[in-house]
Amino acid sequence: AQSVTQPDIHITVSEGASLELRCNYSYGATPYLFWYVQSPGQGLQLLLKYFSGDTLVQGIKGFEAEFKRSQSSFNLRKPSVHWSDAAEYFCAVAGGTSYGKLTFGQGTILTVHP
Amino acid sequence: SAVISQKPSRDICQRGTSLTIQCQVDSQVTMMFWYRQQPGQSLTLIATANQGSEATYESGFVIDKFPISRPNLTFSTLTVSNMSPEDSSIYLCSVEGTGGETQYFGPGTRLLVL
Repeated sequence: AQSVTQPDIHITVSEGASLELRCNYSYGATPYLFWYVQSPGQGLQLLLKYFSGDTLVQGIKGFEAEFKRSQSSFNLRKPSVHWSDAAEYFCAVAGGTSYGKLTFGQGTILTVHP
Repeated sequence: SAVISQKPSRDICQRGTSLTIQCQVDSQVTMMFWYRQQPGQSLTLIATANQGSEATYESGFVIDKFPISRPNLTFSTLTVSNMSPEDSSIYLCSVEGTGGETQYFGPGTRLLVL
């Protein structure tokens, strides 16, 4: 069975600082990997996804993520965090025949200090 | 992209009662998915709903507790039956985008069971 681990429950950074959110997955075949963001009272928004090809993927809002098969990781990064980035971030993996059957990590809550 | 709406957006219910949540999509989709997000937890897939067939439930979820209807390609309902406080969660509907590579989520239904 597939699984996703986000080791950091809560991260605090200062505005303008760089950010890296960790994600490790377990899946027997080539994984399809996603990062979603959930702002308070809002639905889930897709930041970026990896299916194949270039292991460094660019997403919306200046986010990027790097797929490292050897480490079973798909860490999310942003060079300079804005106060509006404060939210909860979820890493997810899809397997099998449907991209819709997602297994989510526990989420990382990001707090941004001014 | 797909625009998804859910009704109700939130509700407070008494234990032992049932609530039906509606999910409407602005385009025809083959598969619809229902997720649950318990307080402070990640998202867990409840079931997959295909039009014209019975829903497929994930481990730990049963049809008697979470009956699902899928009468057409743009609409689905999830009923939470015989509710208990443990059912207090956010329930989200999602669909695959065209090509199946992107998953779109509705805004969620926030349910509190007293």
